[in-house]
Amino acid sequence: KNEVEQSPQNLTAQEGEFITINCSYSVGISALHWLQQHPGGGIVSLFMLSSGKKKHGRLIATINIQEKHSSLHITASHPRDSAVYICAVDRTGNQFYFGTGTSLTVIP
Amino acid sequence: DVKVTQSSRYLVKRTGEKVFLECVQDMDHENMFWYRQDPGLGLRLIYFSYDVKMKEKGDIPEGYSVSREKKERFSLILESASTNQTSMYLCASRGTGQSSYEQYFGPGTRLTVT
Repeated sequence: KNEVEQSPQNLTAQEGEFITINCSYSVGISALHWLQQHPGGGIVSLFMLSSGKKKHGRLIATINIQEKHSSLHITASHPRDSAVYICAVDRTGNQFYFGTGTSLTVIP
Repeated sequence: DVKVTQSSRYLVKRTGEKVFLECVQDMDHENMFWYRQDPGLGLRLIYFSYDVKMKEKGDIPEGYSVSREKKERFSLILESASTNQTSMYLCASRGTGQSSYEQYFGPGTRLTVT
């Protein structure tokens, strides 16, 4: 059983396109996180959300608590956005549960 | 800046060897975690520790043990490495309290067991 589902698993886009990655979860959470992992392994945190919407540069993250759904949008995508994007939910304040990730490739 | 470091980026070991993976964080975080990451499965929690000498099993603890003798250091031990433990291993740390919900990850250790 996977408490966190992401879609799509793989995504290829042309440079400049608007991209959406979706995350659905089935449990109560205190927060939802979007993470980015570049080739080579390192993971960095992009957003932490408990309600509403956050924006950082070309990245926008939204969450609908009632629907148990979050989206990560990338506007004007660029090849340097190519990475794996991971949705994680924070249940207990101590442990995360992770989606399997969305592998994004942006072609010039 | 929070820094989480891992002892090796790449490691090749033989079946049956004892393997030590070390993780050090410099932010005085109480919580530390060991994950493994496999294609199609995402990150899975092996063990975590919420204080010195304290440990809790995660989802996949079999074949692993951990040690936390100092607050800044959390070690993952493979007592007798097997080929199915070939994976990417990621360490993370996290503080406690309302302002400390983010996990900070190390760069990962890609372990190959032959």
